[in-house]
Amino acid sequence: DTEVTQTPKHLVMGMTNKKSLKCEQHMGHRAMYWYKQKAKKPPELMFVYSYEKLSINESVPSRFSPECPNSSLLNLHLHALQPEDSALYLCASSQGPDEGLNYGYTFGSGTRLTVV
Amino acid sequence: AQSVAQPEDQVNVAEGNPLTVKCTYSVSGNPYLFWYVQYPNRGLQFLLKYITGDNLVKGSYGFEAEFNKSQTSFHLKKPSALVSDSALYFCASYSGGGADGLTFGKGTHLIIQP
Repeated sequence: DTEVTQTPKHLVMGMTNKKSLKCEQHMGHRAMYWYKQKAKKPPELMFVYSYEKLSINESVPSRFSPECPNSSLLNLHLHALQPEDSALYLCASSQGPDEGLNYGYTFGSGTRLTVV
Repeated sequence: AQSVAQPEDQVNVAEGNPLTVKCTYSVSGNPYLFWYVQYPNRGLQFLLKYITGDNLVKGSYGFEAEFNKSQTSFHLKKPSALVSDSALYFCASYSGGGADGLTFGKGTHLIIQP
């Protein structure tokens, strides 16, 4: 298995809803990442987990809450989002912290989130 | 810190012609550079990377990139374009400085005309 799987593929949520995005990989990778990509813009790094511990939070608002329950799974919990949070949310993984440099980063297909 | 710039929003090439997508970099230290491709409503697919070694890097789907230190460039190239190469291409640099992950350029739309 050489894929990063993200679910759901599409999500529409209201500003008062609570929802979660899920990311899964079975490549034995020990670093996982959340990126946010607005339309016609490059992906921007949100969170980095290394060995299931949050190592980097790029000043993301608290309405986004990441969770890494185990080495294969990464969640992004969403609460009280704003319409401007509508974007494609991409998950990625690499063999380990800083190993993406040597072995690359594998990206999922993303979750298209619309906040209404 | 590392950053990359893609000067072209869009590049148009006729099918069968060679293509070039430009990227320049700005780094403090050794550059670690990547190219990714994104098809509509899809994630990012890895094409190639430069860490050290040969300046000409060969990657997936017939793409290659030339690292040029004097011009601080890392242009993506392909000798003969296919219509299926039409997509959004991102140049990226390793964030570095203890910040794992990638910093992306703004992206270049490549359109291959039949």
